[in-house]
Amino acid sequence: DTEVTQTPKHLVMGMTNKKSLKCEQHMGHRAMYWYKQKAKKPPELMFVYSYEKLSINESVPSRFSPECPNSSLLNLHLHALQPEDSALYLCASSWTGGATNEKLFFGSGTQLSVL
Amino acid sequence: QKEVEQNSGPLSVPEGAIASLNCTYSDRGSQSFFWYRQYSGKSPELIMSIYSNGDKEDGRFTAQLNKASQYVSLLIRDSQPSDSATYLCAVNHASGGSYIPTFGRGTSLIVHP
Repeated sequence: DTEVTQTPKHLVMGMTNKKSLKCEQHMGHRAMYWYKQKAKKPPELMFVYSYEKLSINESVPSRFSPECPNSSLLNLHLHALQPEDSALYLCASSWTGGATNEKLFFGSGTQLSVL
Repeated sequence: QKEVEQNSGPLSVPEGAIASLNCTYSDRGSQSFFWYRQYSGKSPELIMSIYSNGDKEDGRFTAQLNKASQYVSLLIRDSQPSDSATYLCAVNHASGGSYIPTFGRGTSLIVHP
């Protein structure tokens, strides 16, 4: 299994809603990432988990709350989002996150629209 | 500030031609370099990685690295319309105990029949 699976593929939510994005991989990777990507821009790092511990938070607003229940799963909890948070949210994984030659494997993404 | 620079394009080439995509980076200590392909509305897909100076070939793709010039490029031979996509250059750098890719803005490639 060489896939990173993200659900849902599309999500529309209001500014008062609470929703969660889910990501799963079964490649034995120990590092997992959340990226945000706006149209015609590069992916922007949000969070990194390494061995199930949060290792990097790129000063992301608290309305985004990551969770890593185990080494295969990564969630992103969303609450009180703003319309400018509408974007493609990408999950990725890599072997450990601690090697110079780490390669990222991306999921297919969740296209989020905040109304 | 770790920077990765790419020309956003679009780069337009005829089918069958060689497409040349270029990238420069600011961190002289960087050791790992990647090219990701991203189709519109899809997620990035790794197509090439390179760690040593010189050329690395994989099918129609050749990655070239020159650490002295802080320059990495991707050549696509016999370009096909299916190669039309945005190509993201990524350079790993150390951050918080991890190695994190910094992405360039991407170059849009259009291969026309």
